[in-house]
Amino acid sequence: SQTIHQWPATLVQPVGSPLSLECTVEGTSNPNLYWYRQAAGRGLQLLFYSVGIGQISSEVPQNLSASRPQDRQFILSSKKLLLSDSGFYLCAWSVATAGGLSLSYEQYFGPGTRLTVT
Amino acid sequence: AQSVTQLGSHVSVSEGALVLLRCNYSSSVPPYLFWYVQYPNQGLQLLLKYTSAATLVKGINGFEAEFKKSETSFHLTKPSAHMSDAAEYFCAVTAYTGRRALTFGSGTRLQVQP
Repeated sequence: SQTIHQWPATLVQPVGSPLSLECTVEGTSNPNLYWYRQAAGRGLQLLFYSVGIGQISSEVPQNLSASRPQDRQFILSSKKLLLSDSGFYLCAWSVATAGGLSLSYEQYFGPGTRLTVT
Repeated sequence: AQSVTQLGSHVSVSEGALVLLRCNYSSSVPPYLFWYVQYPNQGLQLLLKYTSAATLVKGINGFEAEFKKSETSFHLTKPSAHMSDAAEYFCAVTAYTGRRALTFGSGTRLQVQP
């Protein structure tokens, strides 16, 4: 079965410090990978998605970046954190599957990282 | 482009009562629709999905949803609420296009009163 890991689980960082959040997926190959941010009391905002190694699409221009150095590893980074970067960061994966004539794009989420920028 | 509107950011029901969480979507192509549940400080868990097969979709924990194209709706229901259903619920949409990403609604927090 497939599992998705995120670490760290919680993080408190001062403004201006760097950030590195890691996500890894087990039990599948060539997954689509996604980074979302969930601010307090708000929905999910897609930050980045990747369909393969080194292929990153950015949804929101900001001081965050993402990289995919290996097939099942997705990293979210920042050189200098802002207060507004605080939130709950979720990694997700998906595979386009063929079930008869249907294709489904459901995503499976990791446990998340709670980031507080002080 | 796709979008999702969830009516009601907070819904409160009594234990044993019907749960109805509303979701309306907008999509220029036939959509795939999903409902996710999120418990505090956890990731999202897939409840059910609609992928152009049966319009009435059954999911986990006794939830189901009906796809109504004429109403562009995908409401989530459960006949009898349980205390453990208290959580936040998200409706999401995608389409078979190159973007391959889900667009989420803003979420509905379900409270279950004893």
